[in-house]
Amino acid sequence: QVQLVQSGAEVKKPGASVRVSCKTSGYTFTAYYTHWVRQAPGQGLEWMGWINPNSGGTHYAQKFQGSVTMTRDTSITTAYMELSRLRSDDTAVYYCARGGTYSFDHWGQGTLVTVSS
Amino acid sequence: DIQVTQSPSTLSASVGDRVTITCRASQSISRWLAWYQQKPGKAPKLLIYRASNLESGVPSRFSGSGSGTEFTLTISSLQPDDFATYYCQQYNSYRFGQGTKLEIK
Repeated sequence: QVQLVQSGAEVKKPGASVRVSCKTSGYTFTAYYTHWVRQAPGQGLEWMGWINPNSGGTHYAQKFQGSVTMTRDTSITTAYMELSRLRSDDTAVYYCARGGTYSFDHWGQGTLVTVSS
Repeated sequence: DIQVTQSPSTLSASVGDRVTITCRASQSISRWLAWYQQKPGKAPKLLIYRASNLESGVPSRFSGSGSGTEFTLTISSLQPDDFATYYCQQYNSYRFGQGTKLEIK
C-alpha cells in the first residue's frame, strides 16, 4: 500500500534551518510529484511547492521562493523539504503529499516544526 | 494566481442533515478541483477529485459537482464521523480554500 512516512518533530531557534524527510513506499517514487503543504496552528492548508522526483525539477510558491529547497534521493525513495531563516510564524505542521493527476491522493502523517527562542 | 473562496467558514448541522459547502474560483478552472476532509491532528484525506469523482473507499453520501468557477460538496445525510473540517483545492496552482468547519448543532 502507498505510504509516506515523515521524520519526527523539530524545535528550532529563529534564523536556523530545518529539514523534513518524507520516506515513500508502495508506488513508483519517480512517477509522481511530491508536494509539500503546511498548516500553522489553527489555520488552513498552505501549498509550498513540488518536486519532480524523476528529474529533480522543482516549483515553489512565490511566498517560499528563496527560503525553501526541495530535494530527493531516488535510491531511498525519499523527498526532503528544507526551510531556512526560520521565523516564529514558520511554526506549523508540514505535510508531504503524493501528487496524482487530479489531487493529492496520499499524505504523510505530518511533522510539527516549532520555532522558538 | 487563481484564488478560491470557500463558504461558509463554519456550518452547524445535525446527524441526518443534508449539507452543502461551496467553493468559488476567481477564474475558470474547468473541473480541476478536489475536496478533502481533515480531522484534528490528522492529515487531510481525499474525498473528491476532478470536481465530482468519488475517491475509492469514500462513502457514497459524499458527492461533488460543478465546473468552471463554482463547485459544491454535498453530504446527503450527515453521520457522526463527518464532523470535521473540509477544504477545496484548485489543481491549477494547488491553492486551497480557507476551509469549512462542520460542527454538531
